Amino acid sequence: QKEVEQDPGPLSVPEGAIVSLNCTYSNSAFQYFMWYRQYSRKGPELLMYTYSSGNKEDGRFTAQVDKSSKYISLFIRDSQPSDSATYLCALLNSGGSNYKLTFGKGTLLTVNP
Amino acid sequence: SQTIHQWPATLVQPVGSPLSLECTVEGTSNPNLYWYRQAAGRGLQLLFYSVGIGQISSEVPQNLSASRPQDRQFILSSKKLLLSDSGFYLCAWNRQRNTEAFFGQGTRLTVV
Repeated sequence: QKEVEQDPGPLSVPEGAIVSLNCTYSNSAFQYFMWYRQYSRKGPELLMYTYSSGNKEDGRFTAQVDKSSKYISLFIRDSQPSDSATYLCALLNSGGSNYKLTFGKGTLLTVNP
Repeated sequence: SQTIHQWPATLVQPVGSPLSLECTVEGTSNPNLYWYRQAAGRGLQLLFYSVGIGQISSEVPQNLSASRPQDRQFILSSKKLLLSDSGFYLCAWNRQRNTEAFFGQGTRLTVV
């Protein structure tokens, strides 16, 4: 079983839709959870960063973590064409000397005007 | 504020030629530094990370090597490129092991 699973899509929605993006993971040592947005031919940029289970909101974006189910989500409300990008979840192990982020494969999202 | 620079943005190299990609970070000291490769449909693969000058950890055996000659400089190299080395290479940094990482704009390498 891979450490992080993310449906690569592609996902196509109309403007104004609510988008749900998800990742599952297998290693309970992951304690830090991030979502990155990557536009075509650009480096990923950090969208959301959370540590605990529950919800974290930032404008139209909400990150949700359920550690008991090993399931994380990113919700986008009132989606805009400018949200069209690849979204990657990233998880970080909290212990030892493991500094590396483990990424999902990314979900390609297209928001149609 | 902190910034990360990565160059070149694109590179076309023949098989068997050497490679040198450079990454520098400004505005912070003693960052953790990372090299990732992103292939279509395969996500981000960690190649190397470094927690200090001269300290390099390799995640996967391959045709590449990394060096950190200065605190905020990270170099990805190859002596002889293979076709399979083509991809999108990303440099990243973070301050401590438990904080988010910030990425450069990437280098798209095509080996022909």
